[in-house]
Amino acid sequence: EDKVVQSPLSLVVHEGDTVTLNCSYEVTNFRSLLWYKQEKKAPTFLFMLTSSGIEKKSGRLSSILDKKELFSILNITATQTGDSAVYLCAVDGSNDYKLSFGAGTTVTVRA
Amino acid sequence: DVKVTQSSRYLVKRTGEKVFLECVQDMDHENMFWYRQDPGLGLRLIYFSYDVKMKEKGDIPEGYSVSREKKERFSLILESASTNQTSMYLCASQGVEQYFGPGTRLTVT
Repeated sequence: EDKVVQSPLSLVVHEGDTVTLNCSYEVTNFRSLLWYKQEKKAPTFLFMLTSSGIEKKSGRLSSILDKKELFSILNITATQTGDSAVYLCAVDGSNDYKLSFGAGTTVTVRA
Repeated sequence: DVKVTQSSRYLVKRTGEKVFLECVQDMDHENMFWYRQDPGLGLRLIYFSYDVKMKEKGDIPEGYSVSREKKERFSLILESASTNQTSMYLCASQGVEQYFGPGTRLTVT
């Protein structure tokens, strides 16, 4: 059974701090790893990672994948209160396009 | 922009009622999914469909069925709603990545 584990489950930081979120996985047939941000509505797509060692960046967010150690990290620098959300990691590790999701990391950024 | 819409944002139903949740996407995607999301459990896949009239069980299909009569529409059916089906239901449509609808918060009393 495919498994995706995110850590920590939650954290509280102050504006300006840097946050690092972890996602480890065990899947039968890795195709890609995706990060989503979820505020009080549906998840919105952040990144898709397929290759090891290649950093994806979008503004203050960045992510990298390690296919040898089976994990990914999502970094948020210079955090703002608008970064408060649940961050979901999902892995496409099957032959039929199903995604396996982690439980999510709740990030709270205090002013 | 991909658009995925769901028929209701909030729904309150009684135990034993039949419940229909509808999802429509406008990008001609073949793959569509229904998830439920509960605190501490993340998103769990209920059913998915990779073509019209085709469906596959996900991780938690018990108590649910689905219908895909047209490519753009994927319906989730609760034949006899129970209180443990109170949850947030999210539909997704897949191109390169999955695009989510706004969600339906269902309460079964």
